[in-house]
Amino acid sequence: KQEVTQIPAALSVPEGENLVLNCSFTDSAIYNLQWFRQDPGKGLTSLLLIQSSQREQTSGRLNASLDKSSGRSTLYIAASQPGDSATYLCAVKVVTGGFKTIFGAGTRLFVKA
Amino acid sequence: EAGVAQSPRYKIIEKRQSVAFWCNPISGHATLYWYQQILGQGPKLLIQFQNNGVVDDSQLPKDRFSAERLKGVDSTLKIQPAKLEDSAVYLCASSPSSYRPNYGYTFGSGTRLTVV
Repeated sequence: KQEVTQIPAALSVPEGENLVLNCSFTDSAIYNLQWFRQDPGKGLTSLLLIQSSQREQTSGRLNASLDKSSGRSTLYIAASQPGDSATYLCAVKVVTGGFKTIFGAGTRLFVKA
Repeated sequence: EAGVAQSPRYKIIEKRQSVAFWCNPISGHATLYWYQQILGQGPKLLIQFQNNGVVDDSQLPKDRFSAERLKGVDSTLKIQPAKLEDSAVYLCASSPSSYRPNYGYTFGSGTRLTVV
């Protein structure tokens, strides 16, 4: 059974710092991995989608990497800003009796001005 | 393109009452998902539709939850009767197709349900 774990559960950093959020999954047979951002009381906004054949994706100050063999993904945020404060979730798409997406519980990020 | 629309944004009901949520996916998206997100947890899939057919409802508490997507577009999720533990954010998402797994999801803003 696929399980997705995100560490740390919460993180507080000063503005301007580079940071890394971690996501691990137990079964390497995934179709893709997606990182989302969730603001309080809001839905999920897709940040980056990495296909199983890819190693990384970049968008602006965000870079996500994928290492299927070790069951890990990282989301790197460069030069963090207070506006980056949110919960970041990763989700893997697997094939288990059909395509399913399994989410981690998220990392709550607070960037201090 | 317009995003995934959900209503209402917030709902407070007493336990044992009924409630319904509505979702309109992105135009042309065949797959629609309902997720339940309890505070501090990741979203959990309740039901997945491909057009108007159910693909996966294995985690839907069928004794109290029901969902339909009659014309393969809009969807309604109902809870009857509600319990305190149903307090959560209910998220709707859509994607082009269940058979095109390499596409990601687009989520709506969610409905926050509080059962008192």
